[in-house]
Amino acid sequence: NAGVMQNPRHLVRRRGQEARLRCSPMKGHSHVYWYRQLPEEGLKFMVYLQKENIIDESGMPKERFSAEFPKEGPSILRIQQVVRGDSAAYFCASSQGPNYGYTFGSGTRLTVV
Amino acid sequence: DAKTTQPNSMESNEEEPVHLPCNHSTISGTDYIHWYRQLPSQGPEYVIHGLTSNVNNRMASLAIAEDRKSSTLILHRATLRDAAVYYCILRGANFGNEKLTFGTGTRLTIIP
Repeated sequence: NAGVMQNPRHLVRRRGQEARLRCSPMKGHSHVYWYRQLPEEGLKFMVYLQKENIIDESGMPKERFSAEFPKEGPSILRIQQVVRGDSAAYFCASSQGPNYGYTFGSGTRLTVV
Repeated sequence: DAKTTQPNSMESNEEEPVHLPCNHSTISGTDYIHWYRQLPSQGPEYVIHGLTSNVNNRMASLAIAEDRKSSTLILHRATLRDAAVYYCILRGANFGNEKLTFGTGTRLTIIP
């Protein structure tokens, strides 16, 4: 049973390009969470999704960032027109529900040059 | 979100037990107590969680105070691979209140 799969592991983008980060949750998990960790800082919640629904996006920046979790396929975190400040590790986690722990992926390390 | 308070750092000798404390005096009746750890350059790893009763698993034990205002993560025999930042987090059980909010955690150093 594979864990949470994130790809790519490393992503380099030039300023102004788009970044697409993918997350496949564990089999049977219907809850997906995205977190961002800036260098030498803690993990910050970004968004919580269930299939086809955004449940909580209180941590998402108002512009350039969007997330989806379609009926089929992985969850996608999209960052448009990236800037240097977007350079960070982005982690995805999945869970069966509130009575269960989260399983995190290994993250995508985004570098904006 | 209800907050937790943990020491910034702790040290322990290899092969000895480690007790990591956490205070959560504003915990609500439906909040679960979760523990995660993050090794350098890795994603967080689930350790254990509980609601009211003490919990054991292959990684650790969780001792929860009777009033639930504090808890202790117990690593029974620390190894060098246990060196990590440990996070104690309260997680709501109500719909829409399920996200984990990470604090600064406790940086555990294991001394060989």
